[in-house]
Amino acid sequence: NAGVMQNPRHLVRRRGQEARLRCSPMKGHSHVYWYRQLPEEGLKFMVYLQKENIIDESGMPKERFSAEFPKEGPSILRIQQVVRGDSAAYFCASSPIQRGGYNEQFFGPGTRLTVL
Amino acid sequence: TQLLEQSPQFLSIQEGENLTVYCNSSSVFSSLQWYRQEPGEGPVLLVTVVTGGEVKKLKRLTFQFGDARKDSSLHITAAQPGDTGLYLCAVLMDSNYQLIWGAGTKLIIKP
Repeated sequence: NAGVMQNPRHLVRRRGQEARLRCSPMKGHSHVYWYRQLPEEGLKFMVYLQKENIIDESGMPKERFSAEFPKEGPSILRIQQVVRGDSAAYFCASSPIQRGGYNEQFFGPGTRLTVL
Repeated sequence: TQLLEQSPQFLSIQEGENLTVYCNSSSVFSSLQWYRQEPGEGPVLLVTVVTGGEVKKLKRLTFQFGDARKDSSLHITAAQPGDTGLYLCAVLMDSNYQLIWGAGTKLIIKP
């Protein structure tokens, strides 16, 4: 049973370009979360999605950032017109359907975005 | 101000020594999680503590949740180079899905 997969693992973009980060959740998981980790900082929640629905995007910048989790295919985090401050590691996590109480989120290996 | 303060930020010790790292807050939590993150990888859940005063052991790692459920510690006995990594604590917000993270303790065990 493959874990959470993210690609690419490393992505280099120049300022003003677009970055697309992909995440395939674990088999059977229908909930996806995106986190960002800046150097020397902890992870920060960005967005929570279920299939075809954005449940909570309170941690995502209002401009230039968007996320989707289509009915078929991976979840996509899209950053338009990247700036140097977007350089970070972006982690995706997935969890199964919640049945109350806390849920365990399983993390992918991350995509390290470098903006030149 | 961070909701979760982890200390120390950085720790480098010799193989075989014992160590304790801390995760502190002024807030009360229903549960707290510890993760380990290796370079170039995502965090991996080690343990979840739920009850005040709870102690959980995972081989040479001992996790404790404070009586008041505001803080937690991770003690490693006879540290080994394989324990090297970034140790992160995290709590779930009331939403029950949004994890809030400490900045981590970067641990290096020298052979």
